[in-house]
Amino acid sequence: DTAVSQTPKYLVTQMGNDKSIKCEQNLGHDTMYWYKQDSKKFLKIMFSYNNKELIINETVPNRFSPKSPDKAHLNLHINSLELGDSAVYFCASSPGTGYNSPLHFGNGTRLTVT
Amino acid sequence: GENVEQHPSTLSVQEGDSAVIKCTYSDSASNYFPWYKQELGKRPQLIIDIRSNVGEKKDQRIAVTLNKTAKHFSLHITETQPEDSAVYFCAASKASASKIIFGSGTRLSIRP
Repeated sequence: DTAVSQTPKYLVTQMGNDKSIKCEQNLGHDTMYWYKQDSKKFLKIMFSYNNKELIINETVPNRFSPKSPDKAHLNLHINSLELGDSAVYFCASSPGTGYNSPLHFGNGTRLTVT
Repeated sequence: GENVEQHPSTLSVQEGDSAVIKCTYSDSASNYFPWYKQELGKRPQLIIDIRSNVGEKKDQRIAVTLNKTAKHFSLHITETQPEDSAVYFCAASKASASKIIFGSGTRLSIRP
């Protein structure tokens, strides 16, 4: 059983397109995140949701729109894709409402914009 | 806001030797310090963590030390093995900040 699963694993698309990445966790965690890892391996938080409510939006362009239909799912929709959006996007979850607890990452989605 | 600096960015050690990775943080209110290991093409995974009420924690060949006064913490890997080759990330957070801030990562290579 994969605790945090995200799809697709690979996504290759052209500039200007709109794409979505889905994430689901079966750990019963209250908090879910989206992280972006660039080519230099920096892990940067994008969004955090707690029980379907947006907690963090780290100055991400509004072309990125997260949606949490329930606390087990956090999807990421990206409009008008740009070359600079190419990266690996990781979904993660953590238990409880505090943020001093371990993150459980999904396997990542490698997005390539051409 | 919180800033976490990590050194070195790359580290190569002989198999069997020890490896040390150091991090400093800026926010004295930070109270949780996890370490993640990311193997090539895989997801980051927690390997050890420490909270501010503890100065040192050990799990087999891995240990983490925390110096709250100096605001730095370190990861120690002893008797390194080829499977220890990976990118290691330190991180820091506090409950009120709602997020974990990662260091820039250290690529550890183990020479046979």
